[in-house]
Amino acid sequence: DIVMTQSPDSLAVSLGERATINCKSSQSVLYSSNNKNYLAWYQQKPGQPPKLLIYWASPRESGVPDRFSGSGSGTDFTLTISSLQAEDVAVYYCQQYYTTPYTFGQGTKLEIK
Amino acid sequence: EVQLVQSGAEVKKPGESLKISCKGSGYSFTNYWIGWVRQMPGKGLEWMGIIYPSDSDTIYSPSFQGQFTISADKSISTAYLQWRSLKASDTAMYYCAKHGISRAPFDAFDIWGQGTMVTVSS
Repeated sequence: DIVMTQSPDSLAVSLGERATINCKSSQSVLYSSNNKNYLAWYQQKPGQPPKLLIYWASPRESGVPDRFSGSGSGTDFTLTISSLQAEDVAVYYCQQYYTTPYTFGQGTKLEIK
Repeated sequence: EVQLVQSGAEVKKPGESLKISCKGSGYSFTNYWIGWVRQMPGKGLEWMGIIYPSDSDTIYSPSFQGQFTISADKSISTAYLQWRSLKASDTAMYYCAKHGISRAPFDAFDIWGQGTMVTVSS
C-alpha cells in the first residue's frame, strides 16, 4: 500500500494568515503517460462528511473558494489556505488514487490561533 | 441535485449480521464507481473498497478483505455494505461516496453520503 503522511498533525493559525499542510506519499503518484498526479484533498468539519476540495493535486472542485490551492508533484504535495477564515476550521486529509487501496493521510487538524 | 442518501444508524450485537445502504440520485448511477470509507470514533478516514454498479466489478482494500461485502442493485440505484458477523471493532461511521468521472476507477470521491453510524456492543 502507498503510505500517505501528513504534516503537521495539528496547526493553529491566526485569522487572515496563511495555513500550509503537507502530504508526502511513500511512492510517486504521478502517472507519466498523462502527467497527472493522482492526489486529492478533502475538508471534514465536525459532524459532517468529508468534502472534496482539490483533485489531480491542484484543480479546485467547483464552488471551493480560491483561497484554497494545491501544489506539488510526484511524492510531495501541499494544501495552502491563503487567508484563513473562521469557517476553515476542520480536519484536512490528502488521498492518493494512483493505486488501490486509495489510501488517506492521517489528517491535519486546523484551528484558529 | 446529485446526492447519496444513506440508511439510518444501527445498533447491533457482536455476531449479528447487517446490511447498510446508499441510494444515489441526480446522476447516472450505473456509470460512476461508488465506494465505502470507514471512520472509527475520533480517527481518520480508511478506504474500504469500490464497486462499478454497471457490472458489479468490485475492488476491496486488502486490509479489509473478507470482513464485509460490497454490492449494488442498479435497478434501484443503491449500493450496499454488508457484514455476516459483526465485531465490536466494526463500530464506526461508514460513508459512501462516488467518483467524479464517469467510468473512471482511478478517481477522487466528489460526492459523499451523510454517513451511517454502526455501533456494535453486547
